[in-house]
Amino acid sequence: RKEVEQDPGPFNVPEGATVAFNCTYSNSASQSFFWYRQDCRKEPKLLMSVYSSGNEDGRFTAQLNRASQYISLLIRDSKLSDSATYLCVVSDQTDSWGKLQFGAGTQVVVTP
Amino acid sequence: GAVVSQHPSWVICKSGTSVKIECRSLDFQATTMFWYRQFPKQSLMLMATSNEGSKATYEQGVEKDKFLINHASLTLSTLTVTSAHPEDSSFYICSARDDRQGYQPQHFGDGTRLSIL
Repeated sequence: RKEVEQDPGPFNVPEGATVAFNCTYSNSASQSFFWYRQDCRKEPKLLMSVYSSGNEDGRFTAQLNRASQYISLLIRDSKLSDSATYLCVVSDQTDSWGKLQFGAGTQVVVTP
Repeated sequence: GAVVSQHPSWVICKSGTSVKIECRSLDFQATTMFWYRQFPKQSLMLMATSNEGSKATYEQGVEKDKFLINHASLTLSTLTVTSAHPEDSSFYICSARDDRQGYQPQHFGDGTRLSIL
């Protein structure tokens, strides 16, 4: 079983609409959670960290459910530039190097 | 923000060639560097972790004699794919972090696309 699982999509979203998707993780000792964005053939870029109480950054809202071991990302008022693959990333930080575990990503395609 | 640069960004080589990829932290000192590999439509897979001045720690299934990592300074790490074969074709990404002030996020390089013919 993969440590971090995501629906690969694609999620086709009309411009201006809202889209949400989840990610599940298997390691209950996980302590840090992130959403990264990866454009085609590019490196991943940190979109936002995910905090236990949930957090919002502009049009992006992230939620964490430790009991069910999933993280969600919601994008409101989608823009064409939001088209990308969104990577769910988890770290257990049980070692000082804080290794990251990446999901395979959820593709979002925002259409005009 | 912190910048991590990789070079080259794209490499096409014949089978059997050794390829060196450089990862540089441009505006901070990287005490720890990570090397990842990503195949199409798959997640980034950590290959190895290195601390400056010490030997890299390789993940299970990654051959250390095949993928040579050198982290000789606080701003440079290199990954050498020795005797590369077509199955080594992938997107290689490094990341860097300065651990001297507590837990810090990793900053990713812009990646190297390796194609072995």
